[in-house]
Amino acid sequence: EAQLVESGGGLVQPGGSLRLSCAASGFTFSRYWMSWVRQAPGKGLEWVANIKPDGSEKYYVDSLKGRFTISRDDAKNSLYLHISRLRADDTAMYYCARDWDIAIFGVVPSFDYWGQGTLVTVSS
Amino acid sequence: DIQMTQSPSSLSASVGDRVTITCRASQSISSYLNWYQQKPGKAPNLLIYGASSSQSGVPSRFSGSGSGTDFTLIISSLQPEDFATYYCQQSYSKGRTFGQGTKVESK
Repeated sequence: EAQLVESGGGLVQPGGSLRLSCAASGFTFSRYWMSWVRQAPGKGLEWVANIKPDGSEKYYVDSLKGRFTISRDDAKNSLYLHISRLRADDTAMYYCARDWDIAIFGVVPSFDYWGQGTLVTVSS
Repeated sequence: DIQMTQSPSSLSASVGDRVTITCRASQSISSYLNWYQQKPGKAPNLLIYGASSSQSGVPSRFSGSGSGTDFTLIISSLQPEDFATYYCQQSYSKGRTFGQGTKVESK
């Protein structure tokens, strides 16, 4: 079965940077778009970014463009999110989620597998 | 970006009640609409994809309908384990968006 495990979160000072990782197993990682979704404490889900297999296409939520960079290494079955110039309102649980299978046509993309999340806290 | 608006933001219901949650998209998204359930401290769980298709293992009391801009999630007979927050999400555009969530609480 598919499994996603995030890591890299922690306490970071405002203005700092962080790289989150997501290790994938149990499925053919190189076939899937992958997404990052975050959730601030007590708030709703916010989609952050996604990336095509081989990394040739990337999309970001408009409000976060410029500070967030999504990347992947298909040889290592790994997804990454680099966040720079961290702010207090970036404090959230960050989830990676499996997105669209490019090998299957006619199926609506959905987030069918999620990791357990990694918590990022931005505070001095 | 496509905006997703859910209503209500919260509701109170009793075990056995029929619960209806609606989701509206800011433009037509055909049937590119998914529903998730999230319990406190847990990752979201996919319930419905493609507006009306149930994910494997999801109880039959959960159903979805709609197309275009207006969608509905129905829980036909609320069970104790269904008290949670529910989110709609569009995948019509590669930039995905979620609704703000609907919290289902015990009356």
